[in-house]
Amino acid sequence: GAGVSQSPSNKVTEKGKDVELRCDPISGHTALYWYRQSLGQGLEFLIYFQGNSAPDKSGLPSDRFSAERTGGSVSTLTIQRTQQEDSAVYLCASSLKSTETQYFGPGTRLLVL
Amino acid sequence: SQQGEEDPQALSIQEGENATMNCSYKTSINNLQWYRQNSGRGLVHLILIRSNEREKHSGRLRVTLDTSKKSSSLLITASRAADTASYFCATDAQGAQKLVFGQGTRLTINP
Repeated sequence: GAGVSQSPSNKVTEKGKDVELRCDPISGHTALYWYRQSLGQGLEFLIYFQGNSAPDKSGLPSDRFSAERTGGSVSTLTIQRTQQEDSAVYLCASSLKSTETQYFGPGTRLLVL
Repeated sequence: SQQGEEDPQALSIQEGENATMNCSYKTSINNLQWYRQNSGRGLVHLILIRSNEREKHSGRLRVTLDTSKKSSSLLITASRAADTASYFCATDAQGAQKLVFGQGTRLTINP
């Protein structure tokens, strides 16, 4: 079946603009995660959705970051008033159950000029 | 601080040699996972070992888990150039609902 997909693959934007990143998880996966990875670094947890429960937003770095998951499927990560330090690869993953195997999308490489 | 931390940060070996990477963590876990990442894109799941398991094999991969030392190791035998990648361990702290990833080990296999 289809894996996790993310769009766009690459995004170049100007400082101060808003961006939206999309994630389509594997069908039937109830858990969805967003991570950020700066060049050569590890994964930084951003936010986690599990079914209809309130999301775990503990990793969001500032109130410029928000995410939603509509209908328990597709998720959108929004970054408002982007800053140069927001430049990174944003990775989405889904899993059948939390803490089990996560399946990652290819990521969105964001560059803020 | 990170729940999982890999060691070494970087490893360079000759093709055919074995590569060993280590992961240490701080709190009790239900399971520990290893992932591989090529070219800074999506991670690929390699193997999951549960807290009641001590060793697991998958092809050329061998993972050990020592819960008394809160550590795990990933051994890749007979390495190939295609094994060049970054390798991450991920742990779930008991009671937590998410995985925490380490900083990764960058493995380079020289032909």
